[in-house]
Amino acid sequence: QKEVEQNSGPLSVPEGAIASLNCTYSDRGSQSFFWYRQYSGKSPELIMFIYSNGDKEDGRFTAQLNKASQYVSLLIRDSQPSDSATYLCAVKTVRGSTLGRLYFGRGTQLTVWP
Amino acid sequence: GAVVSQHPSRVICKSGTSVKIECRSLDFQATTMFWYRQFPKQSLMLMATSNEGSKATYEQGVEKDKFLINHASLTLSTLTVTSAHPEDSSFYICSARDGTPNNSPLHFGNGTRLTVT
Repeated sequence: QKEVEQNSGPLSVPEGAIASLNCTYSDRGSQSFFWYRQYSGKSPELIMFIYSNGDKEDGRFTAQLNKASQYVSLLIRDSQPSDSATYLCAVKTVRGSTLGRLYFGRGTQLTVWP
Repeated sequence: GAVVSQHPSRVICKSGTSVKIECRSLDFQATTMFWYRQFPKQSLMLMATSNEGSKATYEQGVEKDKFLINHASLTLSTLTVTSAHPEDSSFYICSARDGTPNNSPLHFGNGTRLTVT
């Protein structure tokens, strides 16, 4: 399995604060990066994907990618208690026999307290 | 959006029996589906890549004779856990994409919670 590393947390932030989730990956050739949210006992749901260096914003969520540093992050602005979940970073391979496969980090558990 | 349906959502079986899990793409055709397994508080681990009309590709360490995958049509892939043991108890999740590999994310089924007693 390709290495995708995340701080497992738990990360705890107050309601209304910015939550910052980080992820690093080992395959320098990776080109597609995804953030999924997973509630306990449920399957992951896609929040954002990013392909290019820089920032990508969607509502309260901003994904940041730095391919040189092999680093991708997710910022959640105005955090809400309903954002409390495990956030999974995923990296898609683009080379060789593993083309197109998605590998996940362990996930960061986020708790937003009222 | 793309919908992936997985069935059953929960199954309890006795050790030694086999369990079949179905994964369907409801509103798109999926030439490739992926099967993941997740143990409590662990990440999703890719088990195998299911290819329509051909043999599945298994990740290192996954027993292909134990986890049988069939992808007979563009909308259906099945995973059969054969001779299940308690250590096979886990959350199994299938996924599929509705576009080419480089520009479409995966859509996940709701998962199957397998408990082997």
